[in-house]
Amino acid sequence: GAVVSQHPSWVICKSGTSVKIECRSLDFQATTMFWYRQFPKQSLMLMATSNEGSKATYEQGVEKDKFLINHASLTLSTLTVTSAHPEDSSFYICSARDVSSPGTDTQYFGPGTRLTVL
Amino acid sequence: AQTVTQSQPEMSVQEAETVTLSCTYDTSENNYYLFWYKQPPSRQMILVIRQEAYKQQNATENRFSVNFQKAAKSFSLKISDSQLGDTAMYFCAFIHQNTDKLIFGTGTRLQVFP
Repeated sequence: GAVVSQHPSWVICKSGTSVKIECRSLDFQATTMFWYRQFPKQSLMLMATSNEGSKATYEQGVEKDKFLINHASLTLSTLTVTSAHPEDSSFYICSARDVSSPGTDTQYFGPGTRLTVL
Repeated sequence: AQTVTQSQPEMSVQEAETVTLSCTYDTSENNYYLFWYKQPPSRQMILVIRQEAYKQQNATENRFSVNFQKAAKSFSLKISDSQLGDTAMYFCAFIHQNTDKLIFGTGTRLQVFP
């Protein structure tokens, strides 16, 4: 149980275009999902917290107009990188909390999406 | 500020041997949770083990166990009978009971040699 999927697993796009990444909780409901960014050989950096039915909460330094987050249902959150530039190239990982399980604090992670902006 | 420190950037161990990864954290809170996550070359983050701060008993999951020292704010991970598949980046993480944010350490890269 507690499986989180991400789509796509990798994407290459041209500079100036927008890219949408989906994060789904497959076998549980997640009122809260999280989006992280990971640079090579570094730890995970929290970008934003996605709450179902309300606006996302962004971490300091993360541009909310550039990284649009929509959490429209209890099993789906999307991250849209708008007007992508080469510096947005990175590995993006989502996670979700299973609120029905005894350990509601545990986050389960998706497999990640590698974004390359040319 | 709450921080998590992993002082060992890299570790290596021979197959079937035991290795311990260190983690210390800093918090003024009393109720929190600690985690070890594994990130193999596939980059999928996998939960290894979880510990509630209010529990004195150390968590164990098969070959993985922790040494939780609350007063010392230490949370080390012991891997027994190391296997080649244990080769990965290991992240220690902390979350306070009343917040959503996981705070990660910088990670320890573990290499298991045959």
